[in-house]
Amino acid sequence: QSVLTQPPSVSAAPGQKVTISCSGISSNIGNNYVSWYQQLPGTAPKLLIYANDKRPSGIPDRFSGSRSGTSATLGITGLQTGDEADYYCGTWLSRAYVFGTGTKVTVL
Amino acid sequence: EVQLVESGGALVQPGGSLRLSCAASEFTVSANYMSWVRQAPGKGLEWVSIIYSGDKTSYADSMKGRFTISRDHSKNTLYLQMNSLRAEDTAVYYCARVYTGSLDAFDIWGQGTMVTVSS
Repeated sequence: QSVLTQPPSVSAAPGQKVTISCSGISSNIGNNYVSWYQQLPGTAPKLLIYANDKRPSGIPDRFSGSRSGTSATLGITGLQTGDEADYYCGTWLSRAYVFGTGTKVTVL
Repeated sequence: EVQLVESGGALVQPGGSLRLSCAASEFTVSANYMSWVRQAPGKGLEWVSIIYSGDKTSYADSMKGRFTISRDHSKNTLYLQMNSLRAEDTAVYYCARVYTGSLDAFDIWGQGTMVTVSS
């Protein structure tokens, strides 16, 4: 069972904004970088955000990350149908990596 | 193109063994931190193991003593040896490269290989 809690699902209409929270404990999120991954149906995960708020090359600026205390947040603006996917946060807990419980984003 | 390609997934009986392989292209496995991540059918992502510089390793608690991560420089390939397999090990197994910039994320993923543990 993950120690990083995410809402099971969020939804919004095309063009709108969604935010996904990732709540942890001080020994993980509070002390380490948080990353975010997008997993489209039937595909491997893809890195969206690393080091809390940085985007890898090729990731549009519609995706943003932030961290405050023991929580992190992924924001998606200008929601598109192609954004329908599962999203996971992740961070290091000592010498083990922990993924969040995952959030399904639905575009209405 | 920088990529990872897994192989070796199969149907195996409980208590059996299996070795997964992950071949890398356009980068050197032995020069990077590398991990395995799995995903049971319909479930979330679960980290399995990591191999660091100097071939130091770390494992998720439920895999300790049963799984072994390793790599072969000459073949530029990462491996996961899985022993004493259980039904709950059934999953798609992904290999992933740890991003060298911040060492906090996985920036390159393979397509996954399916392991099914069943009699």
